[in-house]
Amino acid sequence: DAMVIQNPRYQVTQFGKPVTLSCSQTLNHNVMYWYQQKSSQAPKLLFHYYDKDFNNEADTPDNFQSRRPNTSFCFLDIRSPGLGDAAMYLCATSRAGDADTQYFGPGTRLTVL
Amino acid sequence: GQNIDQPTEMTATEGAIVQINCTYQTSGFNGLFWYQQHAGEAPTFLSYNVLDGLEEKGRFSSFLSRSKGYSYLLLKELQMKDSASYLCAVKDSNYQLIWGAGTKLIIKP
Repeated sequence: DAMVIQNPRYQVTQFGKPVTLSCSQTLNHNVMYWYQQKSSQAPKLLFHYYDKDFNNEADTPDNFQSRRPNTSFCFLDIRSPGLGDAAMYLCATSRAGDADTQYFGPGTRLTVL
Repeated sequence: GQNIDQPTEMTATEGAIVQINCTYQTSGFNGLFWYQQHAGEAPTFLSYNVLDGLEEKGRFSSFLSRSKGYSYLLLKELQMKDSASYLCAVKDSNYQLIWGAGTKLIIKP
């Protein structure tokens, strides 16, 4: 049973064309994260939600926005994708206090043409 | 600054044992995680250490020494499916997860 689901698995967009990636979870975890990962690099945290509280990393570009309408869903909006935004985007969840172990979805690989 | 160091790549033989090291310098420490990541897939949780010592889970074990800022992941009876990247991550004093770039493990028959 999938616990953290990401759609789509592969997304192709054009330079400058907005794109939205989605994440849902059946774990009822209160924390949700969005990471960007490029080849052979560490995952880079973009932002996270602690319940409804939004936490933006200082170096996350303004081009990236996020929404969490309810506990189960979280969205990543890239307003004007550039070639440098091509990457794997990973959604993760954790339960605060449970060692905060993060559980990842399968990721969305974004290609920017 | 905060830093996680792991070897970039390692090669081992099927059936053998391999140890992947991780050293860290972080502002505070609230636990260390090991994740496995197959190419093109998401990381999957392997182990968590917060106290010094060895945690064993089947073929995989993880060791932590907080005084040395050091951990290792030990994989026994290697199988071809163990070919993957292994990421070390440390939770700092702000409970932020600091990630290493991962060690690519290549298993040869």
